[in-house]
Amino acid sequence: GEEVAQTPKHLVRGEGQKAKLYCAPIKGHSYVFWYQQVLKNEFKFLISFQNENVFDETGMPKERFSAKCLPNSPCSLEIQATKLEDSAVYFCASSQSDSSSYNEQFFGPGTRLTVL
Amino acid sequence: AQKITQTQPGMFVQEKEAVTLDCTYDTSDPSYGLFWYKQPSSGEMIFLIYQGSYDQQNATEGRYSLNFQKARKSANLVISASQLGDSAMYFCAMREDDSNYQLIWGAGTKLIIKP
Repeated sequence: GEEVAQTPKHLVRGEGQKAKLYCAPIKGHSYVFWYQQVLKNEFKFLISFQNENVFDETGMPKERFSAKCLPNSPCSLEIQATKLEDSAVYFCASSQSDSSSYNEQFFGPGTRLTVL
Repeated sequence: AQKITQTQPGMFVQEKEAVTLDCTYDTSDPSYGLFWYKQPSSGEMIFLIYQGSYDQQNATEGRYSLNFQKARKSANLVISASQLGDSAMYFCAMREDDSNYQLIWGAGTKLIIKP
């Protein structure tokens, strides 16, 4: 598609429950990035993929967060055993290539996760 | 240390005036890019403008221009003739070519345009 699609728009989970978020990048884009935005403030980088391969996972809290980008499927970000501090908007972004020059990241509309 | 600093948490500006949003950055990578995004209250992220570290000229996109001062490591966003619809959060971000293309973000500036 021409836009990054994210589902669901809103997700409410009780503390300790699992949450799974989905992202369909723009067709033809090789890179997918996940960011977490807490309280409309700073964005925290979580993980990136180059096609279906993990490219950079330095931002992932590995004990509860996992992510995948499988061929012919939306990418997913999963949080096992959610905690209150996971409440945030999770943005997915995609970009076209691995050129080191200008490389805009196109953002999806975000998934708002609320953990109660 | 903060890599991207936006020193103005909030700004009020009269409609039709020009506004400058500050952004300073810190990097030792000679090759990097600087981005500005707008986030209205509806929450979506809108790309505004990009400046590459090797670009000789300041970037411009319509009413947006980037005042890039490389020696001072600043990349201020200038919005000319502000409009009510410019009210939003504005984020400055940097991509270092050595850092696997992730964007490093500032804390944002909330801009409110007064009629």
